[in-house]
Amino acid sequence: DTGVSQDPRHKITKRGQNVTFRCDPISEHNRLYWYRQTLGQGPEFLTYFQNEAQLEKSRLLSDRFSAERPKGSFSTLEIQRTEQGDSAMYLCASSLGQGARTGELFFGEGSRLTVL
Amino acid sequence: AQKITQTQPGMFVQEKEAVTLDCTYDTSDPSYGLFWYKQPSSGEMIFLIYQGSYDQQNATEGRYSLNFQKARKSANLVISASQLGDSAMYFCAMRGLNNAGNMLTFGGGTRLMVKP
Repeated sequence: DTGVSQDPRHKITKRGQNVTFRCDPISEHNRLYWYRQTLGQGPEFLTYFQNEAQLEKSRLLSDRFSAERPKGSFSTLEIQRTEQGDSAMYLCASSLGQGARTGELFFGEGSRLTVL
Repeated sequence: AQKITQTQPGMFVQEKEAVTLDCTYDTSDPSYGLFWYKQPSSGEMIFLIYQGSYDQQNATEGRYSLNFQKARKSANLVISASQLGDSAMYFCAMRGLNNAGNMLTFGGGTRLMVKP
């Protein structure tokens, strides 16, 4: 399978714990995005990388959130001191960026976080 | 800033009939792209169709077509000959074509249910 993969698919944690999600994008894609989706809502942009550089962060990304893409390939999204409001689906997407006519994003199946 | 509005939280359609899912948008970007994604219960966002704001013709992809009315700022998705597998959430999204990051802004979605 050469699509975007995310791990873990489901995570249940207690309030105050740290969690980390991993995303492996499509190999030739240089752009990688993180979105958050709460129940019944559309995805909301969190942050994006071009290669290893984090170029934009949403105001939704509080200080407890950190994302990395150390070698321009896979990415991790860490949430420290989780709160119940962090419960959501965390979606990762990748794209070719410049040169792609439509620039559509290719999404993974998401990592669902439940904070008890 | 960009905004996408999907006013239909849920829609029913009889199998083999056509259905239109509404999407209106607001943007200050002079050129932009509009997207539709399908999200089945598995969670993965699947790209369906793209319309550029300067494209001369309405986009079509198989059973999907986009009814683009630029003056009205609407980009409705038409699904012809509905199938049971079309039951899913559908999201309209857009990005400014001067937006170097390719970030998409999503609407709140419409749940489509196809009746046998």
